[in-house]
Amino acid sequence: DAGVIQSPRHEVTEMGQEVTLRCKPISGHNSLFWYRQTMMRGLELLIYFNNNVPIDDSGMPEDRFSAKMPNASFSTLKIQPSEPRDSAVYFCASSLDIPGQGLEQYFGPGTRLTVT
Amino acid sequence: SQQGEEDPQALSIQEGENATMNCSYKTSINNLQWYRQNSGRGLVHLILIRSNEREKHSGRLRVTLDTSKKSSSLLITASRAADTASYFCATERQGGSEKLVFGKGTKLTVNP
Repeated sequence: DAGVIQSPRHEVTEMGQEVTLRCKPISGHNSLFWYRQTMMRGLELLIYFNNNVPIDDSGMPEDRFSAKMPNASFSTLKIQPSEPRDSAVYFCASSLDIPGQGLEQYFGPGTRLTVT
Repeated sequence: SQQGEEDPQALSIQEGENATMNCSYKTSINNLQWYRQNSGRGLVHLILIRSNEREKHSGRLRVTLDTSKKSSSLLITASRAADTASYFCATERQGGSEKLVFGKGTKLTVNP
């Protein structure tokens, strides 16, 4: 099992450019989560999907952020246009949601985004 | 607002000593989990304790949960330099969605 795969691992872009982050969850998992981590704000949940459907996007900062999950094995997080304050490490995590059992999340290695 | 708040923010100990980290939360929960993050890496799940459990062990890890005080502790016994990492608690709210809410973590340094 390769674990959660994220790409790219590092992204440096200029303000105003579009950024697309990609995630492949663990096969068989039915929930997928996008997080952002900064020193100031810690780890923040941006959005999560269950069975490819967005369930809670209340953590998405603003309309510049969008996320999709076209199938069970792929998700994207897009920022358009990017701003310097979006600089952070973005993590994707997946889990197998079994009602009543609690969920253990498996994290990818993260994408370090720098917007100049 | 942050559901879990870890204490202390940073902890430095010598190899072989025990490390204790605490977590407080605000609402009723289904379970509480502890994760570890090595520098530059993603988080790794360590242990999950349910709201009806009071203590749980896994190797050198011991977790306690006091729902009346809305607090949990993580004890790492006989620490090793490889335990150096940040440790986060995360809570799954009772009656809420499946999402976890993470604290800001405790940065543990184990000196050889």
